[in-house]
Amino acid sequence: KNQVEQSPQSLIILEGKNCTLQCNYTVSPFSNLRWYKQDTGRGPVSLTIMTFSENTKSNGRYTATLDADTKQSSLHITASQLSDSASYICVVSDRGSTLGRLYFGRGTQLTVWP
Amino acid sequence: EADIYQTPRYLVIGTGKKITLECSQTMGHDKMYWYQQDPGMELHLIHYSYGVNSTEKGDLSSESTVSRIRTEHFPLTLESARPSHTSQYLCAITTGDFADTQYFGPGTRLTVL
Repeated sequence: KNQVEQSPQSLIILEGKNCTLQCNYTVSPFSNLRWYKQDTGRGPVSLTIMTFSENTKSNGRYTATLDADTKQSSLHITASQLSDSASYICVVSDRGSTLGRLYFGRGTQLTVWP
Repeated sequence: EADIYQTPRYLVIGTGKKITLECSQTMGHDKMYWYQQDPGMELHLIHYSYGVNSTEKGDLSSESTVSRIRTEHFPLTLESARPSHTSQYLCAITTGDFADTQYFGPGTRLTVL
């Protein structure tokens, strides 16, 4: 069964600290993996996207890694800010085309305290 | 990026009412989607469209219906709302790049009393 599991479910950190969010998937075949940030009451916004051949991708203070062999991805946030408080969603595509499906994780709820 | 508009942003209505959630985009993208998301849960695809007069049901069974008469608009309708329909509804488009990245609208938070 194609699934996307994220951990932890929720996380609280202090402003300025780093954190790492995890995503494990069983989706096959695999086309690409994306991380989205979803602020409360808003739609998700894409942070990074990685294909099978990529093992790291950065977007400012966000760095995503992908190990396609172990089917694991992580999102590392450096020097966290209050505005980083949001839900971070891992999404895996099985074909990345018109016929492809997207599999969504439940997200990690990150709270950054001052 | 893509400009996707959803109205209303928040809606509280009574059981049995008919409602239409609006989704519009100004860039002429063919592929549009509706997702349903409960708090703390993953997004579930309920409808999608690949162009005018094209609509398909998604992975999650939904009592809602959609139409695509014009490229710019993809409204979702509930003929008779029930408390079980309380959820957040997100509209999305894909721009047709190699990875078909989805861009989401701000969502409509629906509460049925």
